[in-house]
Amino acid sequence: GDSVTQMEGPVTLSEEAFLTINCTYTATGYPSLFWYVQYPGEGLQLLLKATKADDKGSNKGFEATYRKETTSFHLEKGSVQVSDSAVYFCALQYSGAGSYQLTFGKGTKLSVIP
Amino acid sequence: DTAVSQTPKYLVTQMGNDKSIKCEQNLGHDTMYWYKQDSKKFLKIMFSYNNKELIINETVPNRFSPKSPDKAHLNLHINSLELGDSAVYFCASSQDPTQETQYFGPGTRLLVL
Repeated sequence: GDSVTQMEGPVTLSEEAFLTINCTYTATGYPSLFWYVQYPGEGLQLLLKATKADDKGSNKGFEATYRKETTSFHLEKGSVQVSDSAVYFCALQYSGAGSYQLTFGKGTKLSVIP
Repeated sequence: DTAVSQTPKYLVTQMGNDKSIKCEQNLGHDTMYWYKQDSKKFLKIMFSYNNKELIINETVPNRFSPKSPDKAHLNLHINSLELGDSAVYFCASSQDPTQETQYFGPGTRLLVL
């Protein structure tokens, strides 16, 4: 079945450091890919998405590129801030056979220290 | 205004009890979902309703019964609670089942003692 694998956390970075959170997926078709973010005490929010190969999703300084050849969707940010501290979830949605449900990775907790 | 709200935020109860979690969305969406996030942060879908009809029912014990009185509400009732039911339960909604963007509630942290 479809699955998403994220790098294990937690990840601790200093402010203004470069961030990469790795995400790879397994799917039988051509899924849409997402990054969701969960700030402390809140529900998940969509951060960015990409719906086809080579698409780049971007939002709030975060970027991720849909790489079909490596089945990856790594999240990057050039300079993190303390306010970026959260749990980040990679997810896919495969619309084959009429199924549109999201499949999530296990989440990666990011802590940014001043 | 809160888009997707859940009550209660925290729920501590004894094994064997029956409890309900309520979810409401004011986005005018047709589709609502329940997810379970376990202690390892793994998030997995449990149910999905579209226009009050069940469309996704993953392998979940019969003790879990969702109920959708109208499009804006999807409640989750759990009978005979077990220790393994301890988790955070998230409600979510989307415009319709084909829409990729889902909007999540803040979660209900359930602890079964």
